[in-house]
Amino acid sequence: ETGVTQTPRHLVMGMTNKKSLKCEQHLGHNAMYWYKQSAKKPLELMFVYNFKEQTENNSVPSRFSPECPNSSHLFLHLHTLQPEDSALYLCASSQVTGGVGELFFGEGSRLTVL
Amino acid sequence: AQSVTQPDIHITVSEGASLELRCNYSYGATPYLFWYVQSPGQGLQLLLKYFSGDTLVQGIKGFEAEFKRSQSSFNLRKPSVHWSDAAEYFCAVGATGNYGGSQGNLIFGKGTKLSVKP
Repeated sequence: ETGVTQTPRHLVMGMTNKKSLKCEQHLGHNAMYWYKQSAKKPLELMFVYNFKEQTENNSVPSRFSPECPNSSHLFLHLHTLQPEDSALYLCASSQVTGGVGELFFGEGSRLTVL
Repeated sequence: AQSVTQPDIHITVSEGASLELRCNYSYGATPYLFWYVQSPGQGLQLLLKYFSGDTLVQGIKGFEAEFKRSQSSFNLRKPSVHWSDAAEYFCAVGATGNYGGSQGNLIFGKGTKLSVKP
């Protein structure tokens, strides 16, 4: 098993669809993250979960809804997205103990909104 | 606020030549610094990190980076580039303790795309 697994790798959806991205980490980490990577923009932090509690919502539109049922799984629920939401969505995990831990990334879910 | 600047968007080097990718950060205290690499269609892989101690850090794949506090820089170097090093490279900084109510998240630069000529 790779450290951080994301599914699906590719997703095409219409603006009225509802879909979800899934992330699973097998590293025993206590924090999980969603980042958005768009062309010509730096990676944007979307959400942070520490010990399953959301500790950061970086002004993300409500059409993105995260869910962290346990410390190993993280979801990103998508509904009524816009074409500008097309991007690579990266999940990451880390072990944070009073400071900053290195992030371990999944391979990403490439989302295209038509 | 913290920020990371990678001034070079795209660099092309010949295979076997040396490489230096620049990174400047803005942070008041001692930062945690990282370099990641991303191959096309893939996630990010950690090359190396600096938390404290020796300012010259060694990473995987023959990369090294030097932390220079006086210049707020953390440049990535490799003495001899291989064709397989073609990828995008990201510098990142993390805060010590809480940042904006969260812990552990990193601020990334915009990345430098490396092309390698045969």
